[in-house]
Amino acid sequence: DGGITQSPKYLFRKEGQNVTLSCEQNLNHDAMYWYRQDPGQGLRLIYYSQIVNDFQKGDIAEGYSVSREKKESFPLTVTSAQKNPTAFYLCASRPGQGVGELFFGEGSRLTVL
Amino acid sequence: GQQVMQIPQYQHVQEGEDFTTYCNSSTTLSNIQWYKQRPGGHPVFLIQLVKSGEVKKQKRLTFQFGEAKKNSSLHITATQTTDVGTYFCAGHGGSQGNLIFGKGTKLSVKP
Repeated sequence: DGGITQSPKYLFRKEGQNVTLSCEQNLNHDAMYWYRQDPGQGLRLIYYSQIVNDFQKGDIAEGYSVSREKKESFPLTVTSAQKNPTAFYLCASRPGQGVGELFFGEGSRLTVL
Repeated sequence: GQQVMQIPQYQHVQEGEDFTTYCNSSTTLSNIQWYKQRPGGHPVFLIQLVKSGEVKKQKRLTFQFGEAKKNSSLHITATQTTDVGTYFCAGHGGSQGNLIFGKGTKLSVKP
């Protein structure tokens, strides 16, 4: 079945450690996105990529990094510079840039101990 | 910057009662989308509205896009326990703009 796979589903890390969240899609979508969700805050855009080897900062990019070496993959690294990394992270994709529905993965819940 | 405000933040209803959530944008939107997120789940696309004054229905759900394309609403008639979740609106400021999400309305339904 086509879809978006995020892993791991749950992740614990110690302060000062970098962690990478995986996002893979087999929908042949050009555009991919990373959102952060905190209780009562809705979805906030971290980074997005509209084409391979290109990505743009979203509203809250500080302390995060991404890469887009393959169309299917858009991993997110939460660095030690991110001051409050505990959150639910959602990856999404859509066929092209511009309008259109977002398809979301099941999310990764990161807890910093 | 562009903002999308959504109210109420929470709504508790008795099963069978109606429910409405409202979205307002600080700027004119090219389109608006609605998503539903079940507890512990991920957002799932419900619908997209594009035209000024557009009204769309999906069974008990009615979606409206304002004449000025700056506001939208989702109305659920006769809620059921399966309607529980958080409903998000998300607006596009332009064809190349990213979606701006409202903070969502969390709906709980008492059987």
